[in-house]
Amino acid sequence: TQLLEQSPQFLSIQEGENLTVYCNSSSVFSSLQWYRQEPGEGPVLLVTVVTGGEVKKLKRLTFQFGDARKDSSLHITAAQPGDTGLYLCAGDGNQFYFGTGTSLTVIP
Amino acid sequence: NAGVTQTPKFQVLKTGQSMTLQCAQDMNHEYMSWYRQDPGMGLRLIHYSVGAGITDQGEVPNGYNVSRSTTEDFPLRLLSAAPSQTSVYFCASSIAGGYGVGNQPQHFGDGTRLSIL
Repeated sequence: TQLLEQSPQFLSIQEGENLTVYCNSSSVFSSLQWYRQEPGEGPVLLVTVVTGGEVKKLKRLTFQFGDARKDSSLHITAAQPGDTGLYLCAGDGNQFYFGTGTSLTVIP
Repeated sequence: NAGVTQTPKFQVLKTGQSMTLQCAQDMNHEYMSWYRQDPGMGLRLIHYSVGAGITDQGEVPNGYNVSRSTTEDFPLRLLSAAPSQTSVYFCASSIAGGYGVGNQPQHFGDGTRLSIL
């Protein structure tokens, strides 16, 4: 059983579309991170959210931490082919737990 | 800028063989960890270490051993490889880790792709 469930597992969209990826848990986390991973490489940190209700923006990416610190979302506006990759959330409980991952493909 | 270095990048083993996956970091990070990545399951924590001489189990520790004799190195040992251990293994390091102090980024190596026949 995964502590952090991500949805959707796969997402294929056209360039210019918007999308949202969800990261849900029944556990409370002191902080939550989002990573992006490209084939053949390790994950790279995009953002860390630490306060319930916090919203952070990174260019076209908007990250939100749920009020109860159990869930998070990643919204991408006007997706570009360069956004293609595996997106992973990770929660800091008594150890780090990673989500199941969302594989995003943006078609030119 | 070496960061986190993992060796080897690829390995094929036969069932029952043993091997050590190497991980070294040059950032003087206290926290190091090993994950395995399987399709549809994200990354699962195998073992982690909060500093030299200290190790602990993660979610999926069975079949793996670790030690941390120096700050820089954190090798992962497979004692008797099994086909279920076929996976991509990632080593990561960060300034700190654990409950309440985990808002530091984890830096990952490029992984070791391990196949066990």
